[in-house]
Amino acid sequence: GAVVSQHPSRVICKSGTSVKIECRSLDFQATTMFWYRQFPKKSLMLMATSNEGSKATYEQGVEKDKFLINHASLTLSTLTVTSAHPEDSSFYICSAIPGPNTGELFFGEGSRLTVL
Amino acid sequence: EDQVTQSPEALRLQEGESSSLNCSYTVSGLRGLFWYRQDPGKGPEFLFTLYSAGEEKEKERLKATLTKKESFLHITAPKPEDSATYLCAVRQETSGSRLTFGEGTQLTVNP
Repeated sequence: GAVVSQHPSRVICKSGTSVKIECRSLDFQATTMFWYRQFPKKSLMLMATSNEGSKATYEQGVEKDKFLINHASLTLSTLTVTSAHPEDSSFYICSAIPGPNTGELFFGEGSRLTVL
Repeated sequence: EDQVTQSPEALRLQEGESSSLNCSYTVSGLRGLFWYRQDPGKGPEFLFTLYSAGEEKEKERLKATLTKKESFLHITAPKPEDSATYLCAVRQETSGSRLTFGEGTQLTVNP
């Protein structure tokens, strides 16, 4: 299957700082990438959909100014958690799809964010 | 609203003890039902996609089936390395590429 790489896998930061997480599709071009958040023993919650070259579409209840998403190229999307607080601590997972509206999503390895 | 319900929440099996996981869905215009495996601290790993009722797919000890209301993931003679959380997701015809996930079934296979 297609490979999606996510970095960093773990990050610890102080409250009030910003953290950037990168998601790269390594062997295909991804016009669409998705960002999910997962709480312990819970399923994946879609945060936003990012399309290359355009603004991200956020799910209801997700703060656009808190979670900045940039999809500047067909192989890279970034999620920046701005002014992080302890309640932002979570497991963030990106996914990408090789083609439009069809086929399976391929997921990155996830990034564990801990805000102290 | 699309709904995906997985059962049971958790399942413990002995090695070699076959069983099935269930995924019930309520979707208007299903455009794919997906099964993923997720290990602790990792991203989901794609297993199968099913598109129409009656379709079946197999991979090693796993077999996925689909009806108009539910999907089953059958595990035949499981091994401890099959222990993981299994996630079911659906894509609806007007949702673009988005997937709606169920809560998952946490499978533990004891040696």
